[in-house]
Amino acid sequence: AQSVTQLDSQVPVFEEAPVELRCNYSSSVSVYLFWYVQYPNQGLQLLLKYLSGSTLVESINGFEAEFNKSQTSFHLRKPSVHISDTAEYFCAVSEVDSSYKLIFGSGTRLLVRP
Amino acid sequence: ETGVTQSPTHLIKTRGQQVTLRCSSQSGHNTVSWYQQALGQGPQFIFQYYREEENGRGNFPPRFSGLQFPNYSSELNVNALELDDSALYLCASNMGLAANTEAFFGQGTRLTVV
Repeated sequence: AQSVTQLDSQVPVFEEAPVELRCNYSSSVSVYLFWYVQYPNQGLQLLLKYLSGSTLVESINGFEAEFNKSQTSFHLRKPSVHISDTAEYFCAVSEVDSSYKLIFGSGTRLLVRP
Repeated sequence: ETGVTQSPTHLIKTRGQQVTLRCSSQSGHNTVSWYQQALGQGPQFIFQYYREEENGRGNFPPRFSGLQFPNYSSELNVNALELDDSALYLCASNMGLAANTEAFFGQGTRLTVV
């Protein structure tokens, strides 16, 4: 069985500062990795994903995440955050050789202050 | 193309009642998954439907049931509602079953059980 741990329930940060949201996973099989973002009163939107190839993946709005197999981590980073990045961020995994089913972490609330 | 739509957006039910939530999948998508997101938690997988058949189920009791219709829209039914069923229910659709496909989420139905 897979599990996802997001140790930080909330991360406060000032606007234009860098941020890292941590994600660690546990799995006995190969997994795909995802970051989803949830704005208030909305559903989930895919931010970025790691399927294979380069371990560094980027989103169109400046976020990046690096897959580290030895540390079973997939931390999300942004060098300079904006007020509009305030949201809940969820890390998720799905098993490679299985049908699509996402296992989510408990989420990290990113709070960007002016 | 239309996105994933869910109805209703909010619902209040009394303990012991039954509820039906609806989801229209994105155009061209034949797989629908349902997730329960309790307050302050990450989404938990309930079950998945592929071409009108259940294709995987999470750790939820039998009073959680579903249907998928020929147009790939779906329903989630919950019988004998309990207070702990209060949550945001999310529907996600994708094409096929491969674990590396992208799921598109609806905005969810907020169910409150009193």
